Amino acid sequence: KAGVTQTPRYLIKTRGQQVTLSCSPISGHRSVSWYQQTPGQGLQFLFEYFSETQRNKGNFPGRFSGRQFSNSRSEMNVSTLELGDSALYLCASSQIANYGYTFGSGTRLTVV
Amino acid sequence: AQTVTQSQPEMSVQEAETVTLSCTYDTSENNYYLFWYKQPPSRQMILVIRQEAYKQQNATENRFSVNFQKAAKSFSLKISDSQLGDTAMYFCAFMNPSYGNNRLAFGKGNQVVVIP
Repeated sequence: KAGVTQTPRYLIKTRGQQVTLSCSPISGHRSVSWYQQTPGQGLQFLFEYFSETQRNKGNFPGRFSGRQFSNSRSEMNVSTLELGDSALYLCASSQIANYGYTFGSGTRLTVV
Repeated sequence: AQTVTQSQPEMSVQEAETVTLSCTYDTSENNYYLFWYKQPPSRQMILVIRQEAYKQQNATENRFSVNFQKAAKSFSLKISDSQLGDTAMYFCAFMNPSYGNNRLAFGKGNQVVVIP
């Protein structure tokens, strides 16, 4: 059974650009969540999607957005990149959330 | 918002010994779930163990066990017979699924280094 796949693994962008990160959940998992991990702030919740609907959103500015497709694949987009957006972005999926999420290996975004 | 606190940011343990990581959390809810995740250098977060708050029995998974003290809002992880592959960051996480809120609130993490 394939795990959670995130692409790309590494990304370097310039301030002001936008970026799209992709996440393919485990087959059969309809819940997908995104987290940002930085040394200073730790792991912070970005959003959760279930059956193409955003169910929850964390405390991030509107530059951070996401969506989920009918096959449960998810993308997140960050527009007008800032240096502080440099982070590891983790995607996680689950069949039943309170059983625990399965995480991908993340996308390391560096903004220069 | 729930807060999760982990102290002892870095711990070293000899191979085959036991190490215990502490975690406390703050909530006014009665129904919630607690997790320990492990993040090795490969970056992937791996679920180690899960505890349901309404279950008094402490969860165990092979060499990993928890001491769940609901009244004290404490959730510690014990790693027995430590192995080199246990070297990783360990994160305690809280979930309160009321009102469809399935977000995880994480602590800052504990770095565990297993020494041969």
